[in-house]
Amino acid sequence: GAVVSQHPSWVICKSGTSVKIECRSLDFQATTMFWYRQFPKQSLMLMATSNEGSKATYEQGVEKDKFLINHASLTLSTLTVTSAHPEDSSFYICSATKGDQPQHFGDGTRLSIL
Amino acid sequence: DAKTTQPPSMDCAEGRAANLPCNHSTISGNEYVYWYRQIHSQGPQYIIHGLKNNETNEMASLIITEDRKSSTLILPHATLRDTAVYYCIESGGGADGLTFGKGTHLIIQP
Repeated sequence: GAVVSQHPSWVICKSGTSVKIECRSLDFQATTMFWYRQFPKQSLMLMATSNEGSKATYEQGVEKDKFLINHASLTLSTLTVTSAHPEDSSFYICSATKGDQPQHFGDGTRLSIL
Repeated sequence: DAKTTQPPSMDCAEGRAANLPCNHSTISGNEYVYWYRQIHSQGPQYIIHGLKNNETNEMASLIITEDRKSSTLILPHATLRDTAVYYCIESGGGADGLTFGKGTHLIIQP
C-alpha cells in the first residue's frame, strides 16, 4: 500500500517554457501533499505543502508565482514550473500523506532546462 | 537546517546487521523520529518511525534511547540492495514537511 506515482519521470525542455509535473496517490486519499527539490549531491529541500482544496504554503525563498501548485483532488497534485530557466534544472519529488501517516514519496521527476 | 546528526558514511558486510546511529538531542516531546532511505536517482523510501518505544517492522528495527536524544536503525541482515543514503528526521508527523539533513551513505560490501 501507500503508492505515490509521479509523471513524467524526466523531461527536457527549452528555456522559457512551462513544465507540469503530476503527483498521484494511487491507493489512498492524501490529505496533504508535499513538493521537494533536490540539486545534485545535495539533500531534499521542502518547497511547499499542499492541502486539497486550499492554497499551497510555500517555504521561504520559493517563488509561488514561478512554482504553481494545484491540489484539486485528494489523489492529485500538480507542480507547474513557469518560464523555466537552466537554474530550475533539478530533481523534483512529491510526497503524500493521510492524516498522521508517514509521508510516501514518488520516484521523482528529473527536469533539465536547455 | 536539519536538527539531527548522522555519520556521513558507513560500510557493512553483506549478511551482517547494519547499525546506523542518529543524534537528535533537541527533539521535542511530541516529535517522532523517522527514518527514510534514498537509493540513487529515486524518491526516498519510508522505513520506520517511533516516538519513544522501540519499533520493528519487516524492514528494520528502531531503538530509541530512554532520554530520546539518540536512536539506532538496525537492518538485521544487510544485502547489496540496502546500499543507499539513510536519513534520520525529527518530525511532528502528518502535515509537517520533512527537513532532510545529509544522511548516512551506507555501503554494503559483498
